[in-house]
Amino acid sequence: QITLKESGPTLVKPTQTLTLTCTFSGFSLSTSGVGVGWIRQPPGKALEWLALIYWNDDKRYSPSLKSRLTITKDTSKNQVVLTMTNMDPVDTATYYCARTIFGVVIKAIDYWGQGTLVTVSS
Amino acid sequence: DIQLTQSPSFLSASVGDRVTITCRASQGISSYLAWYQQKPGKAPKLLIYAASTLQSGVPSRFSGSGSGTEFTLTISSLQPEDFATYYCQQLNSYSFTFGPGTKVDIK
Repeated sequence: QITLKESGPTLVKPTQTLTLTCTFSGFSLSTSGVGVGWIRQPPGKALEWLALIYWNDDKRYSPSLKSRLTITKDTSKNQVVLTMTNMDPVDTATYYCARTIFGVVIKAIDYWGQGTLVTVSS
Repeated sequence: DIQLTQSPSFLSASVGDRVTITCRASQGISSYLAWYQQKPGKAPKLLIYAASTLQSGVPSRFSGSGSGTEFTLTISSLQPEDFATYYCQQLNSYSFTFGPGTKVDIK
């Protein structure tokens, strides 16, 4: 059974750095073709893709947020960590971690965490 | 950076209706497009990948088509549980953008 779960602060102040951890089970991030990434969704708005780390430690970032994001993995702990600097109230959103499969046929997010709401406010 | 647009952004339909949602990419993405369904307060759920392949367990009333820059998601006969927001996502480029979503509401 594959599961992913996000953890981190629910409230951060403007200008602070947000650190979110995704802890997953049921698969390994050392398996070829697997990636774990982050997606966010402001209240009532659309999904926004943020970042992804591949099994081989290659990383991808949203161009508009690249300067503020860092994604890392700890394969032994089955964890992926996202940091986002200089938080602003517009960054208030539900943050999801998710597994992306890069197969011969399938390229898609096939498993999602439940999401964690992060509010940015002083 | 590849941009995705979806049309319509909102549609009102009745149970049993045939519904079609279009997703357009700003440049060609081959068939590297996925569709997701999201219900309020829940994480999205994968419906279709590779533009037209149904994910395991997804009802056959859902279908996808297209390649290059234009894609469609069709629900052949809308069911009560299908009222939700639908997103497309491209997985062809450096970053994997989502479309802005289409909300399907009850008429």
